[in-house]
Amino acid sequence: KAGVTQTPRYLIKTRGQQVTLSCSPISGHRSVSWYQQTPGQGLQFLFEYFSETQRNKGNFPGRFSGRQFSNSRSEMNVSTLELGDSALYLCASRLRPENQPQHFGDGTRLSIL
Amino acid sequence: GENVEQHPSTLSVQEGDSAVIKCTYSDSASNYFPWYKQELGKRPQLIIDIRSNVGEKKDQRIAVTLNKTAKHFSLHITETQPEDSAVYFCAASIEKGNEKLTFGTGTRLTIIP
Repeated sequence: KAGVTQTPRYLIKTRGQQVTLSCSPISGHRSVSWYQQTPGQGLQFLFEYFSETQRNKGNFPGRFSGRQFSNSRSEMNVSTLELGDSALYLCASRLRPENQPQHFGDGTRLSIL
Repeated sequence: GENVEQHPSTLSVQEGDSAVIKCTYSDSASNYFPWYKQELGKRPQLIIDIRSNVGEKKDQRIAVTLNKTAKHFSLHITETQPEDSAVYFCAASIEKGNEKLTFGTGTRLTIIP
């Protein structure tokens, strides 16, 4: 089975721009979660989508949003980028509602200039 | 919300010795505790997990123990090898609840040959 696929792997943007990141889950996985990883804050939960609906949300501003499509692929959007948004954005998928662990993709490294 | 503390932040052990990483959590409703290993530039990979109905779980050289009363859980790696060098993250979540993973701040483990 193919793992979680995230595109692009690397992105460079400037302040004020917006960005869209993509995540394709493992085949059959319907839950997709997004995390932000930074050296200072570690791994922080952004949100989770299941059956095209946001199920959980972390403590991030409204500039961070996401969606999920009928094929379970998910996108995350960040608007009005700030320098502090520079991070590795990780996507994880899992079977739901069965009690299964989350499996991570390689992430998208976003750099804001 | 849940808060997970992880210690130590760095750990160096001689090859062949054991390594122990400890985590505490704050929310008594948490019932699922995975451990992830992240090598430099790679995705976090699940190495072992434990649920609150079990006190200990072992998989070859890796074991995890859970003390629900004290709200702490630990990762034990025996007979360490150079390839065990990585950053290890503990996490906690509520299965069949909000299910988001709250991560510890990570432990950088270095195995000295």
